[in-house]
Amino acid sequence: AQSVTQPDIHITVSEGASLELRCNYSYGATPYLFWYVQSPGQGLQLLLKYFSGDTLVQGIKGFEAEFKRSQSSFNLRKPSVHWSDAAEYFCAVSAEAGTTDKLIFGTGTRLQVFP
Amino acid sequence: DGGITQSPKYLFRKEGQNVTLSCEQNLNHDAMYWYRQDPGQGLRLIYYSQIVNDFQKGDIAEGYSVSREKKESFPLTVTSAQKNPTAFYLCAGQPTGGHTIYFGEGSWLTVV
Repeated sequence: AQSVTQPDIHITVSEGASLELRCNYSYGATPYLFWYVQSPGQGLQLLLKYFSGDTLVQGIKGFEAEFKRSQSSFNLRKPSVHWSDAAEYFCAVSAEAGTTDKLIFGTGTRLQVFP
Repeated sequence: DGGITQSPKYLFRKEGQNVTLSCEQNLNHDAMYWYRQDPGQGLRLIYYSQIVNDFQKGDIAEGYSVSREKKESFPLTVTSAQKNPTAFYLCAGQPTGGHTIYFGEGSWLTVV
């Protein structure tokens, strides 16, 4: 069965520091991979996605992620974190079911940013 | 982001009562989804619908029901059979032919 693991439940960084959030997936074929961000009490906003092609993908708000097939990983990175980046981040993999994609989510990583 | 509107934002109900959460979309998405979010458990799929008048159970459908009478609307009913209904509920839509799913702002349901 498909699954997504986010090993870090909670990460704390200082403003201006670099950030890497880890995501590992289990899926038999080439997956569709996503990172979403959620502010408290809000819906999920898409940060970036990987379907095929270049394994380094750029997203909104200065985020990027790299797909590494050999490691079954899709880690999210940002060179310099801003206080407004404090939120919960979810990695997801798409398990196609006919013409409908069913997203399978990791349990999330909560990012705290200190000034 | 994707024109998904959920209402109400906050809802309180007494135990044993059914409650319906509204989800409307204006972007002509064929597929729509309902997810439940609990702290520390990520999101879990309740139901999804690919076309009007058709829907399928997700991973945690017990105690829930849905309808899809119109393409724009995918309401979720939380029935009294749902043993632990207090949660954050998220509706989502997916454009035809696309693989990206867009979420609404969510609805908080508290059952007391």
